[in-house]
Formats: sequence, C-alpha cells, structure tokens
Amino acid sequence: EVQLVQSGGSFVQPGTSLTLSCTGSGFTFDDYAIHWVRQAPGKGLEWISVISWNSARMDYADSVRGRFAISRDNGKNSVYLQIYSLTSDDTALYYCAKGSLRSGGNQVLLQPFDIWGQGSVVTVSS
Amino acid sequence: DIVMTQSPDSLTVSLGERATINCKSSRSLLYGVNNRNYLAWYQQRPGQPPRLLIYWASTRESGVPDRFSGSGSGTDFTLTISGLQADDVAVYYCHQFFSTPHTFGQGTKLEIK
Repeated sequence: EVQLVQSGGSFVQPGTSLTLSCTGSGFTFDDYAIHWVRQAPGKGLEWISVISWNSARMDYADSVRGRFAISRDNGKNSVYLQIYSLTSDDTALYYCAKGSLRSGGNQVLLQPFDIWGQGSVVTVSS
Repeated sequence: DIVMTQSPDSLTVSLGERATINCKSSRSLLYGVNNRNYLAWYQQRPGQPPRLLIYWASTRESGVPDRFSGSGSGTDFTLTISGLQADDVAVYYCHQFFSTPHTFGQGTKLEIK
C-alpha cells in the first residue's frame, strides 16, 4: 500500500521548537518531491514547504521562511519539518503530501499531491 | 503569489443532482510549453486528509468515479459532480501548482439538501 505515515505532533509552549516526520512506503520514495501543507482549526489548506527528490531544491511559503526547515533522508524514506520559535499562529494540523509526478528540471517542485499523510496536530499554547 | 478564488463558498444540492464549483486564478495557469493547465481539485471529507480528484484541470485521478469532471483553461476552472451521492458531502479545494508558493482556493462546502 502506498502511504505516508506522520509522527511528531505535540502540545508545545510558544517560543519552543518541534520536528515533524513523514515516512513513505509502497513507492520509490527518492523519485518524488514531498510537500508540507497545514490547516488551522476550521480553516482551509495552506502550502508551506517542498523538497525535491534529491534535496537539491527546497522552497517555503513567506509566512514560514526563516523559521521552518525541511530536509529528507532517502535512506530512511523520510522527510522532516523542523519548526522553530513556534507561535499560536502555527497551531494547525500539518500534512505531508507526495508530489504525484516525477517532475524534473524547472518543474521539480511543481506537481499535484496524490498521497497525503494522516496529519500531525501541533498546538501552541502557554 | 497566485490567488485562487472559489465560488460559491457553500452549496446545497439534492441527491442525484449536479453540483458545480468554480475556481478563478489571478494569473493564467496554462503553461505554453506543454499546453497544460497546472490546476488540481481535492475533496476533503470531515476528519480526513484531502484526496486528489482531478489534475491538469481535467484529468481524473485513478480510482475517482467518472461522476467527477474538471474543465476550464487559463484562469477559469470548474469542478462538476454529477449524480450527487451522500458521501460527496465534503469541502472541495482547487490548487494551483503552476508556481511556488503553491496556493489553494478557500474551499467550497458541499451539503446535501
């Protein structure tokens, strides 16, 4: 079965850091870009980051750039999202999602998302 | 950033009828090199992650019923659900993957009358 399994969500205090993990199985993990999308309670979807299949390219939403760091370890079929200096605005359900196409060149970060993780809840509160 | 605007925000349709959801982008999503529109549609049922329905504006994802269809080009797109069923109750999102940052529409909540 093709799937992404997430871990690392938590209840944390403002100003602290957190790492979310996303592990893939059932597909050739190092062929695909992996994205992170978050959903604040009762709100819509917000794309926040992507990493290419070989880690050569990454990108971030302006709302998280400088505080979030994406990385991957293809040997462990895993992608990580490190979040620093958490604020209440970061409270959300965080999803990792697989890019559906083996895109290359200038399209390497541009795909729809065909497989989604189950989500990791991050709650930031004092 | 490309702004995606969906209409309506919510929709109530009778079982067996047709639902139509519109999505407008602030710039063209048509890539001239391959003549493809970088637009996808997702269904998110309550308590579930989103599910990919349509990509390239009109290509149905594997396993998606043919009741779901996508159309449009450039800046104006439509998701049509024919023969509405009870398990179509969900929020539907359009998504542009033409450029980063990827952006989504605000969502359209579909309910059954």
